[in-house]
Amino acid sequence: GQQVMQIPQYQHVQEGEDFTTYCNSSTTLSNIQWYKQRPGGHPVFLIQLVKSGEVKKQKRLTFQFGEAKKNSSLHITATQTTDVGTYFCAGNYGGSQGNLIFGKGTKLSVKP
Amino acid sequence: EAGVVQSPRYKIIEKKQPVAFWCNPISGHNTLYWYRQNLGQGPELLIRYENEEAVDDSQLPKDRFSAERLKGVDSTLKIQPAELGDSAVYLCASSLDGWGNYGYTFGSGTRLTVV
Repeated sequence: GQQVMQIPQYQHVQEGEDFTTYCNSSTTLSNIQWYKQRPGGHPVFLIQLVKSGEVKKQKRLTFQFGEAKKNSSLHITATQTTDVGTYFCAGNYGGSQGNLIFGKGTKLSVKP
Repeated sequence: EAGVVQSPRYKIIEKKQPVAFWCNPISGHNTLYWYRQNLGQGPELLIRYENEEAVDDSQLPKDRFSAERLKGVDSTLKIQPAELGDSAVYLCASSLDGWGNYGYTFGSGTRLTVV
């Protein structure tokens, strides 16, 4: 079945350092979404990317969708302790399936 | 605007006992999803509803799991009988359209522990 692979599984950074998580699908995606889950919380929608090569920014967060629409990345510049949590990518394969397939997430910890 | 409401927040039951979870989606969101999230993993879809119709239940273990969404609003997910491996967080989500184009809104989840 369709799978979305996400790396790394864990990332420990010093506050102020940058952070990047990568997401990859073996087949073309219709769109991809990113979610953040704080410790003990539930996933919260961050953004959706639809177009090939699309780049979107939210303050210190930069999201990219690959040209082939098979991969995506989330980059955080100058991490802060409030960035702590698990970041999930979720792929939508379109067609008759409107379901999101979630990656396993990247757990970010930030040392002050 | 109220978010997706789930109850109970926590549930501890003995194996072989039944358990039920309840979800009230955001008003106007016709699409409702039940996901299961195991520790350290991403959410995995169990079932998707469009209004009152279950349009995708291919991942629902039908021998012990059942779900309903009467009147196309609230939904319940039931497990009977529960097994130790069912311990997980059960998340309900809703979306404005059937493709989740505006993102999914998740509830706080029900953390189930089967002992």
